[in-house]
Amino acid sequence: EVQLVESGGGLVQPGGSLRLSCAASGFTFSSSAMNWVRQAPGKGLEWVSTISDSGGRAYYADSVRGRFTISRDNPKNTLYLQMNSLRAEDTAVYYCAKDYRYYSVWGQGTLVTVSS
Amino acid sequence: QSALTQPASVSGSPGQSITISCTGTSSDVGGNNYVSWYQQHPGKAPKLMVYDVSNRPSGVSNRFSGSKSGNTASLTMSGLQAEDEADYYCSSYTKSNTLVFGGGTKLTVL
Repeated sequence: EVQLVESGGGLVQPGGSLRLSCAASGFTFSSSAMNWVRQAPGKGLEWVSTISDSGGRAYYADSVRGRFTISRDNPKNTLYLQMNSLRAEDTAVYYCAKDYRYYSVWGQGTLVTVSS
Repeated sequence: QSALTQPASVSGSPGQSITISCTGTSSDVGGNNYVSWYQQHPGKAPKLMVYDVSNRPSGVSNRFSGSKSGNTASLTMSGLQAEDEADYYCSSYTKSNTLVFGGGTKLTVL
């Protein structure tokens, strides 16, 4: 069964940092582009970042560029999102998702709350 | 990276057909055939319903169909059922190698 499981969310103060993880199973992780998508409470989906299968290319939304870093460890089948300089507006459920031009598999999401 | 434009809400009765539109620009929807649609029930992760404008993943009902004309894509649901009530999001790959989502449409089955 193809599965993505996020972890690492929680409550963090403004200006703080957090690292999210996404454990993949059931498919060839090293052959798949991976992504992070977030959803603020009561709001729509927002694409955050994409990383190529090898990890050699990464793309970011304007809203997070320079603060967030996407990375992957292919031998460990794990995707990461390092989030620095967090703001209240980064509060959201963060989903990892598989593939490039459309997202065929999604994790269950992990909630990040930025508040003092 | 402006969001694609979707109606905030649509509604229909069981058995009816409805269509949700998704309008972008020549840099996204109009510039490729990589439009996809997602269904999201409350508290759940999104589910892929249509990809590459009109293709359905295995297991998705053929009551769901997608199309595109110019800068506007559409998702049509025929034979509405109670379980179709959910939020629907379109998305498009862009010329910047990014993905952009629509604002979402809440479908109410009357």
